[in-house]
Amino acid sequence: GQQVMQIPQYQHVQEGEDFTTYCNSSTTLSNIQWYKQRPGGHPVFLIQLVKSGEVKKQKRLTFQFGEAKKNSSLHITATQTTDVGTYFCAGMEYGNKLVFGAGTILRVKS
Amino acid sequence: DTAVSQTPKYLVTQMGNDKSIKCEQNLGHDTMYWYKQDSKKFLKIMFSYNNKELIINETVPNRFSPKSPDKAHLNLHINSLELGDSAVYFCASSQGTFWASPYEQYFGPGTRLTVT
Repeated sequence: GQQVMQIPQYQHVQEGEDFTTYCNSSTTLSNIQWYKQRPGGHPVFLIQLVKSGEVKKQKRLTFQFGEAKKNSSLHITATQTTDVGTYFCAGMEYGNKLVFGAGTILRVKS
Repeated sequence: DTAVSQTPKYLVTQMGNDKSIKCEQNLGHDTMYWYKQDSKKFLKIMFSYNNKELIINETVPNRFSPKSPDKAHLNLHINSLELGDSAVYFCASSQGTFWASPYEQYFGPGTRLTVT
């Protein structure tokens, strides 16, 4: 079945450093979504990427969808303490359900 | 206004008991979901309903039974609770489903179930 692998599992950065999490699918995706879950909270939708090679930005967050539509990344520039949380990618095959990656837990030292 | 709400927020119960979790969404969405998040934060889909019809039924013990009385509600009933059922259960909704966009999901606040 469809699998979505996400790395790293955990990252601890100094405030102001950059952070990247990567997502890889075993199959071609129709779209990929990213969610953020704050500690003790629930997943919150951040963005959806649909087109091959697509790049979208939200302030300090940059999202990319690979040319083959099998991988994606989320890059945060100059992390802040408010960025703390777990970041999930979720990939959808054509006509199939959304499958979540295992998440990357981000901790930021101030 | 709360978009997706769940009750209760916390549930502590003993092994062997039966319990229910309720979910309501006021977004007018057609699709609702139940997810289980374990202690390692892994989010696993359990069930999904589209317009009250079951469309996703993952490999879940049949002690778990969802019920959707209408489009805005999706409840989860669990029989004969076991220690391994301890987790956070999230309800979610989306306007579309995997055959019709938009697919982004809106999650409820979660129900932390602890089985002792």
